[in-house]
Amino acid sequence: RKEVEQDPGPFNVPEGATVAFNCTYSNSASQSFFWYRQDCRKEPKLLMSVYSSGNEDGRFTAQLNRASQYISLLIRDSKLSDSATYLCVVRRGGADGLTFGKGTHLIIQP
Amino acid sequence: DAGVIQSPRHEVTEMGQEVTLRCKPISGHDYLFWYRQTMMRGLELLIYFNNNVPIDDSGMPEDRFSAKMPNASFSTLKIQPSEPRDSAVYFCASKYQGTSTDTQYFGPGTRLTVL
Repeated sequence: RKEVEQDPGPFNVPEGATVAFNCTYSNSASQSFFWYRQDCRKEPKLLMSVYSSGNEDGRFTAQLNRASQYISLLIRDSKLSDSATYLCVVRRGGADGLTFGKGTHLIIQP
Repeated sequence: DAGVIQSPRHEVTEMGQEVTLRCKPISGHDYLFWYRQTMMRGLELLIYFNNNVPIDDSGMPEDRFSAKMPNASFSTLKIQPSEPRDSAVYFCASKYQGTSTDTQYFGPGTRLTVL
């Protein structure tokens, strides 16, 4: 079983819609959680960190459920520019390297 | 501000040749990471350094791969001899431990093709 699992998609969503992604992680020692965004043929960039209390950054909301080992990302009022691959990322306690899911591909359609 | 710099951006080589990838982290960052991305396996950590010292190389696939960090502003990842299955995008990332955000900043990557 992969340490971080995501639905690869693609998710085809009309502009202005709300879309949600989930991911699950298998290592209960995971300590830090993130969503990264990767555009085609570009490097990953941090979208947002994910906190146990949930956190919001503009149109983006991230949630963490430690009991179920589950992380979510909600995008409201989606824009064409949101089209990208969204990577669910965890860092294990005591380690510094990141473990990435394979990503969810999102396509926003006009 | 200059981000993480990697060179070359693209490398095409033949099986058996030595390949050297280079990385310059963001100035002041004390951690440097090497990752590899393939369609099959996604992004995987190969090795990382803290203050120029290798901390965890458990992700390095085999003895053909080696990495060095001779100083705080330069690191290399070497593959010798290269094989077609090494074809991938290799990313270097850096971070500064002193921040609360734990953010890693990635370079643009080196796209390696081994024929």
